[in-house]
Amino acid sequence: AQTVTQSQPEMSVQEAETVTLSCTYDTSESDYYLFWYKQPPSRQMILVIRQEAYKQQNATENRFSVNFQKAAKSFSLKISDSQLGDAAMYFCAYRLGNTDKLIFGTGTRLQVFP
Amino acid sequence: ETGVTQTPRHLVMGMTNKKSLKCEQHLGHNAMYWYKQSAKKPLELMFVYSLEERVENNSVPSRFSPECPNSSHLFLHLHTLQPEDSALYLCASSQEITSDSPLHFGNGTRLTVT
Repeated sequence: AQTVTQSQPEMSVQEAETVTLSCTYDTSESDYYLFWYKQPPSRQMILVIRQEAYKQQNATENRFSVNFQKAAKSFSLKISDSQLGDAAMYFCAYRLGNTDKLIFGTGTRLQVFP
Repeated sequence: ETGVTQTPRHLVMGMTNKKSLKCEQHLGHNAMYWYKQSAKKPLELMFVYSLEERVENNSVPSRFSPECPNSSHLFLHLHTLQPEDSALYLCASSQEITSDSPLHFGNGTRLTVT
């Protein structure tokens, strides 16, 4: 079965500090895309960052970066200089090549303290 | 403006009622999706439409009936639901159903079945 595991149900970080959210996935395919989505209290799922599995270089979007370890099937999200607005549920997901199915993890709730 | 609008935001219905959830996207996308989000469970893909044709029905009970009259609108018709159907129902759209097209989500409809 293809699964995504987020082993940290909750995390907390001090404002301006750095936090890393972990994600592992299980697939035998080699062509896929990985995503991190953020869901704030407004409930809207917002794309944070995405990574193509065929690219070795880790994706970066401003304060957000990933550590993609393909052999280990690991896709962690690092948030630098955390801000209060970063508080949300974060979902890791992947999508196999040429499929319409996005497989999600159970999410990690991030709290940011001032 | 999220680009994907869902109504109503909240819905309470009895098990014998018939109601519909509405989703509208203003992004010019060709694919639309219904997801179910239950507490402590990964998001579950329910239905996928591409250019108004249903391409995925993920073993969803027949008490959920989708309708896609055009590429901008997606409905989920509900009838004789069960209490376990209470959840957040998220609509999403993407440019295509290919794996590199990120999903854009609406704010969801919080459904409570009494």
